[in-house]
Amino acid sequence: EVQLVESGGGLVQPGRSLRLSCTASGFAFGTYAMTWFRQAPGKGLEWVGFIRGKAHGGTTEYAASVKGRFTISRDDSKSIVYLQMNSLKTEDTAVYYCTRDRAVSDYWGQGTLVTVSS
Amino acid sequence: DIVMTQTPLSSPVTLGQPASISCRSSQGLVHSDGNTYLSWLQKRPGQPPRLLIYKISNRFSGVPDRFSGSGAGTDFTLKISRVEAEDVGVYYCMQATQIPVTFGGGTKVEIK
Repeated sequence: EVQLVESGGGLVQPGRSLRLSCTASGFAFGTYAMTWFRQAPGKGLEWVGFIRGKAHGGTTEYAASVKGRFTISRDDSKSIVYLQMNSLKTEDTAVYYCTRDRAVSDYWGQGTLVTVSS
Repeated sequence: DIVMTQTPLSSPVTLGQPASISCRSSQGLVHSDGNTYLSWLQKRPGQPPRLLIYKISNRFSGVPDRFSGSGAGTDFTLKISRVEAEDVGVYYCMQATQIPVTFGGGTKVEIK
């Protein structure tokens, strides 16, 4: 059974950093791209970015709103994908979800809440 | 960026009656690999988004057959043949053909 479990969310002050993790199980993690999405309170879904699998260079793509501040990385030995969030802004407050794949996003985790506030 | 426009914003439906949601993209969604990466997701309160339909019309594992997707080019539709109480939530179309991935604004399905 495919499972994705996000962790690392919490309350953080503007300008600070936070790292989210998404632990995967039930599939060949290394062969899949992994994607991060978010949903701010009362808003719609927003794509954050994704990381390709090793076979495709492990390269990354980001939304303009987070480019230069957020970094996605992966540890295939542990089946974990990370979202490093720096220089956080109040508008980054959202539930963050990781998903399997970059084009279909078939499986979603439960999400982890990040609140950026002073 | 590809803009996804969903209508209606809200869809009050009687239980057992059909519902239909439209999604229009600002550009065609055929990828260079020949696939059209247009998906439909359901977001229930307090739950993570759930994939219903991928590549226009493919029902994801475990999704009831009352959900169906259709369309081509820039116009796509999600249909629920007979709405059940558990279908209440917000539905989003999503295109992943072109980066950045973009979503429609959402359609709230509620029971009349």
